[in-house]
Amino acid sequence: NAGVMQNPRHLVRRRGQEARLRCSPMKGHSHVYWYRQLPEEGLKFMVYLQKENIIDESGMPKERFSAEFPKEGPSILRIQQVVRGDSAAYFCASSPLSTRRNYGYTFGSGTRLTVV
Amino acid sequence: RKEVEQDPGPFNVPEGATVAFNCTYSNSASQSFFWYRQDCRKEPKLLMSVYSSGNEDGRFTAQLNRASQYISLLIRDSKLSDSATYLCVVNLSSGDKLTFGTGTRLAVRP
Repeated sequence: NAGVMQNPRHLVRRRGQEARLRCSPMKGHSHVYWYRQLPEEGLKFMVYLQKENIIDESGMPKERFSAEFPKEGPSILRIQQVVRGDSAAYFCASSPLSTRRNYGYTFGSGTRLTVV
Repeated sequence: RKEVEQDPGPFNVPEGATVAFNCTYSNSASQSFFWYRQDCRKEPKLLMSVYSSGNEDGRFTAQLNRASQYISLLIRDSKLSDSATYLCVVNLSSGDKLTFGTGTRLAVRP
């Protein structure tokens, strides 16, 4: 079991470019979550998806950010027209069950986005 | 009031010491509770779930006080390798997302 796989590990983009971050959940996990961690800050929830469905996107900025989890393939977090303030570590997590059953997440190693 | 609040520390302790971290949460209807550990520039890793009756895993003991909306983590016989940031994590609502505290930093010195 390869764990939660995120790529790329590091991504550098110029202001105005697009960033695409990929996440493959652990085998058998159907719940995917994206979090953002700004330097010296805590993890902030962005979006929760199941296959082909966005369940909760209450933490997503209203503009430029989108996420998907297609029937086949990884979950994608897409940031259009990146700005310096988007520089952060983006973590993806997956779980097989609802967290209400006291089952936590497993995180990927993250994508560190730097906007120059 | 923050949804999940922790003392940021740092807690600076010698090897072998016992150290305790506290955390408070805002929603009395919260259902699930966890402690995670995060090393510098790494992903958070699940340390332990927290159950109503309290639970222990080796040197680590977690307690939950629902009436006070308070969670604790006790680390006995601290090791150098325990140096990390400890994150209090709560499922605050009926949804599935977990809310993270900003973490308490622990530094264990020789």
